[in-house]
Amino acid sequence: DVKVTQSSRYLVKRTGEKVFLECVQDMDHENMFWYRQDPGLGLRLIYFSYDVKMKEKGDIPEGYSVSREKKERFSLILESASTNQTSMYLCASSTIGLASLNEQFFGPGTRLTVL
Amino acid sequence: AQKVTQAQTEISVVEKEDVTLDCVYETRDTTYYLFWYKQPPSGELVFLIRRNSFDEQNEISGRYSWNFQKSTSSFNFTITASQVVDSAVYFCALIPLNSNSGYALNFGKGTSLLVTP
Repeated sequence: DVKVTQSSRYLVKRTGEKVFLECVQDMDHENMFWYRQDPGLGLRLIYFSYDVKMKEKGDIPEGYSVSREKKERFSLILESASTNQTSMYLCASSTIGLASLNEQFFGPGTRLTVL
Repeated sequence: AQKVTQAQTEISVVEKEDVTLDCVYETRDTTYYLFWYKQPPSGELVFLIRRNSFDEQNEISGRYSWNFQKSTSSFNFTITASQVVDSAVYFCALIPLNSNSGYALNFGKGTSLLVTP
């Protein structure tokens, strides 16, 4: 059974804290993505990575960074958390190439609250 | 630029009713892929269907059917004889062939469907 796991389902942090959200996939996928989901806004792409140590900005990268040291793991980092980063964070992975555009596999999400 | 519009924010139906979720998209690419995902209350997005821009055949899978019309840039989703378990948020999404975002999904804002007994 293919799986994308995220380190926490719920997380509460204080303003200014450094926050790490971890995502691990066991499908040997090249592509990994971080999305943010907010009511009325749908899902928006924060960052993506198509290979180890490679990262690219998505639509809303401000205030975030990422790390991909191993193929199976993609971390989202909030250097100094702010209240406007309170949101649901979803990680996804997929293989590369047109033939693989069947689906992205999503993790269960991390609901982050910044106080 | 790509854009996916799901004009219906919330829909409420009574069990066994048919319901159609609308999706309209914009893209300059001639080749693209359209998707529907379901997000039940548990939160995890579940893939439902993919369509490429060259395949306008409608598809039926059990109680689910999809109507893809390039002429109107629409990819609508119909649930026949809805059930309470269909209650979820449904997202339509687009990936253009010439994606510069690693084939990330461009999502609509979602339609929240509530099916009551």
